[in-house]
Amino acid sequence: ETGVTQTPRHLVMGMTNKKSLKCEQHLGHNAMYWYKQSAKKPLELMFVYNFKEQTENNSVPSRFSPECPNSSHLFLHLHTLQPEDSALYLCASSQEDRGFGYTFGSGTRLTVV
Amino acid sequence: AQSVTQPDIHITVSEGASLELRCNYSYGATPYLFWYVQSPGQGLQLLLKYFSGDTLVQGIKGFEAEFKRSQSSFNLRKPSVHWSDAAEYFCAVGLYNQGGKLIFGQGTELSVKP
Repeated sequence: ETGVTQTPRHLVMGMTNKKSLKCEQHLGHNAMYWYKQSAKKPLELMFVYNFKEQTENNSVPSRFSPECPNSSHLFLHLHTLQPEDSALYLCASSQEDRGFGYTFGSGTRLTVV
Repeated sequence: AQSVTQPDIHITVSEGASLELRCNYSYGATPYLFWYVQSPGQGLQLLLKYFSGDTLVQGIKGFEAEFKRSQSSFNLRKPSVHWSDAAEYFCAVGLYNQGGKLIFGQGTELSVKP
């Protein structure tokens, strides 16, 4: 148990489906992040939330919609995805102002068919 | 611009041999530096980190790393590799003037042969 929990661990969805990824942390951190990790590619930062406010969106397509209702929970809502969106989606949290590094969840393996 | 370079995409070592994974960074100030390890299908686990002080940092699983400011490097080492060390390793720099945001290298995949 890393302190950051992601559900589901695996998800298969069609291109017309709507689904959501969930991330939860109980570390008292105030920043949360979504990363995309595709095969043979570097980690891609998607979204950053500090104190529930989105502070960074790295040109992510609108078919990915994040939500951060409180400092402990982060969602990634998915709709009309493409096969190239298949990847491992990682959530991380940190104490934003201390630079102590991130604590990562185990990820959600997403397959779009 | 800040960046992290891991020159080796894939390394293979024999079990029991020593290991060194290279990491170079570009950042205009003293960085926070990290090494993470990722087993297949898993998230990233923190191995060690450097903030300040002693430039030789000890981490979990017998790993250590040395910060060399003159070379802008933070190489990861282990004196004797175990088969369970096979994984992907990521170096990262923390930007303390951007709230500790991490910039990751592309990763080095480590294979261990018997």
